[in-house]
Amino acid sequence: EAQVTQNPRYLITVTGKKLTVTCSQNMNHEYMSWYRQDPGLGLRQIYYSMNVEVTDKGDVPEGYKVSRKEKRNFPLILESPSPNQTSLYFCASSPRNENIQYFGAGTRLSVL
Amino acid sequence: QKEVEQDPGPLSVPEGAIVSLNCTYSNSAFQYFMWYRQYSRKGPELLMYTYSSGNKEDGRFTAQVDKSSKYISLFIRDSQPSDSATYLCAFQGAQKLVFGQGTRLTINP
Repeated sequence: EAQVTQNPRYLITVTGKKLTVTCSQNMNHEYMSWYRQDPGLGLRQIYYSMNVEVTDKGDVPEGYKVSRKEKRNFPLILESPSPNQTSLYFCASSPRNENIQYFGAGTRLSVL
Repeated sequence: QKEVEQDPGPLSVPEGAIVSLNCTYSNSAFQYFMWYRQYSRKGPELLMYTYSSGNKEDGRFTAQVDKSSKYISLFIRDSQPSDSATYLCAFQGAQKLVFGQGTRLTINP
């Protein structure tokens, strides 16, 4: 089944404890992206990647890192999480020549 | 001015009603216009996609785009309880997808 898989689905952590949210897609898509979704603010892009080893900042990159060493994986790293990073996070992917993005099921993160 | 404005609702209508969801945008560079549907505890999924002004139908759903007014709409005919979800408009520019806030819709049996 074609899908974007995020792990974990739910995570509670404390301020300053480094964490990684994994994202993997099995559709051989070139483009991958991370979003956060907050009430009243909608979906905002954090980082995106056009292909392996190519990443760029989205609208709200502060406090986040990403890497794209393999085509299928695009992990989101929070080096020192803070409470304002409590949010619902989505990973998405799309083929290079299409505008349709396919989303994972989401990761709900709480930073205490 | 925000790039995209979408009424967050919530919107509650009886089963069978016609639903109209709307977004306005300010960026003339947007080339593609989309509607995503997001069920509770799920990721958004693409519902409708168009790139030109006018109407596009898919079953009970009609997407309407008016580029001159920078306004897009999604109409749902004969609404069903299974249509209850959050609907997000989305706009594609150069390597960037911009979403509206989402409108939470409930169809009451």
